This record gives sequence, C-alpha cells and structure tokens, in this order.
Amino acid sequence: SAVISQKPSRDICQRGTSLTIQCQVDSQVTMMFWYRQQPGQSLTLIATANQGSEATYESGFVIDKFPISRPNLTFSTLTVSNMSPEDSSIYLCSATLGLAGRGDEQFFGPGTRLTVL
Amino acid sequence: AQSVTQLGSHVSVSEGALVLLRCNYSSSVPPYLFWYVQYPNQGLQLLLKYTTGATLVKGINGFEAEFKKSETSFHLTKPSAHMSDAAEYFCAVSGGGYNKLIFGAGTRLAVHP
Repeated sequence: SAVISQKPSRDICQRGTSLTIQCQVDSQVTMMFWYRQQPGQSLTLIATANQGSEATYESGFVIDKFPISRPNLTFSTLTVSNMSPEDSSIYLCSATLGLAGRGDEQFFGPGTRLTVL
Repeated sequence: AQSVTQLGSHVSVSEGALVLLRCNYSSSVPPYLFWYVQYPNQGLQLLLKYTTGATLVKGINGFEAEFKKSETSFHLTKPSAHMSDAAEYFCAVSGGGYNKLIFGAGTRLAVHP
C-alpha cells in the first residue's frame, strides 16, 4: 500500500491569490491524480500527473488555472491560481502503484480543504 | 464513455440492520468497479473492487458487492450495520486505457441506535 500526506490540510485564502498544495507519497508511484470535491458533491478528476511529462488535464480544467508539477516519483504539487470563491473545495491527491492498470487501487491523501473569501 | 449512478444520496439504517447501497454503471468497455468509503475529514479508502472472475466480491469491514452484468449493477451490502459504518460511500468505474476513476455522486450512510 501507499500512505499519502498533503499540505496544508486546510487554508483560507483571499480571492485573486494562489495556493500550492503539496502531495507526498511514502513510496515510489507511477501515476498521481488530483481531484476536486466541491461541497456535498462527488470527486471530479482535475488531471493526471506522470513523472517526467506534462500533466494531462480533464475537460473543463486548464493548466493556467491548475498548474501541476511532478518532479519525482514520490511528490507532486497542485496550484490553484487566481482563486475565486467558486474554487472553495476539498482537493485530494491520489496515486497508484505498479503499472497503473485499470484494476489497480488508488490510494488517497486526506485532502486539503480550501476556502476562498 | 463511463458513468456511475448511485441511487439514494442518503440512506439511514438501524444498527444491526442490512445495509444496501445501490450502484449502476455504464461502460463502453468491460468495467472495473470499485467501492470507496470516506469518513469525515479523511481521504477515501478502498472497500472492494471487481476486475474479472468471481462476481461476488468480499471487501473489508464485512462489506461485499455483486457484479451483475445483465443489470449493469454493483450494489454494496453488509448484513449487519455498525455505528462505525456511518460514512460517505462512493462507487466508481475505471475507464479508458488506464485507471482513471469515474465516481458516482456518493451515498451518505447514517446508522442509528
């Protein structure tokens, strides 16, 4: 299994500012994922981050708004840029071990609860 | 394309009663199906998954789910609810060429004495 930690656990930010969320895994992983969970809703995939390549963004999410870094096999960051109150959500990081096949378990971090005023 | 529908955003049961959480899926490829649980202020934890083989899948904490292709369903059950089962439960399907997960809207399970 993999244990995932995220920093910060929560933050309150002013509109127009940016926040970088860190995701640390206790073992080397192939694929890392970033999700958004808006209040009372399900998880929506923002992007997939592979080490050594550009992140792949889902429809409705763009790199200028959510830049992602993946400098090595245990770490990734997500930046929420030029924030507005609509960005208030929980942001979760996840990762898979091995070859990241369709049946592989995703391990999730505890999430970062972001409130934008 | 893949999608997941969870019937019932809130389910309430008595302690000791049967838990049944419903999940229906749509998939253009043979589906890989998952149930995750989320406790308050925590990340998601895998309960069980179906990939291939036996259609009745047993997971952690006494939960199990049955894959029914003809009904495109993957309902989650537990014979006897415990207070500690109160949480949010998400059904998900794996789509495409890698394990991108498509989640259902979630079902909040309440267990009362």
